[in-house]
Amino acid sequence: GAVVSQHPSWVICKSGTSVKIECRSLDFQATTMFWYRQFPKQSLMLMATSNEGSKATYEQGVEKDKFLINHASLTLSTLTVTSAHPEDSSFYICSARGLGSGKNIQYFGAGTRLSVL
Amino acid sequence: DAKTTQPPSMDCAEGRAANLPCNHSTISGNEYVYWYRQIHSQGPQYIIHGLKNNETNEMASLIITEDRKSSTLILPHATLRDTAVYYCIVRSPNTGNQFYFGTGTSLTVIP
Repeated sequence: GAVVSQHPSWVICKSGTSVKIECRSLDFQATTMFWYRQFPKQSLMLMATSNEGSKATYEQGVEKDKFLINHASLTLSTLTVTSAHPEDSSFYICSARGLGSGKNIQYFGAGTRLSVL
Repeated sequence: DAKTTQPPSMDCAEGRAANLPCNHSTISGNEYVYWYRQIHSQGPQYIIHGLKNNETNEMASLIITEDRKSSTLILPHATLRDTAVYYCIVRSPNTGNQFYFGTGTSLTVIP
């Protein structure tokens, strides 16, 4: 089945620094990837849709200058949390849309736990 | 996309069938029903999806009522590793690819 790899799985950073999270589709090309955020004991919240070769589409209330998304190739999307603060501490999860017979299925990465001190 | 309603939690005895309901009374004709699960501190895992016919794969069965207003995910022989939060999502492939997650059902499989 389709595999989505996310790196790093866990990161701790100081307040004010920027953190980059990578999302790769390992065995398929993904023109569209998605970024979610999940706070403890809550459901996943869609942050943005990442389109290869074009600007990301952000959900209402998500600051595009705070959460920079780059989708430079068909297998890689990155999320950069700029000037991170403790309130940005969360579980960030990416997903990629499948191709062919699985094109209506999203495959998820294992997630990145961000802790901002 | 149609909203879904799921019970917040359920228990199931190990080895028994787990039947997880989902209500989607406002579903429209071209919207599919998807089921994912999320084991603690992991990314969601795809389980199954369907439009109007019942579906079965190696993980589970999906039963969709004739009026499509509700569905049931069936794990035929639940194991402890099936303990997770199960999400029912309704989405049309024609309105973009975004998935919006509800609160899901927290299934606990009891030894």
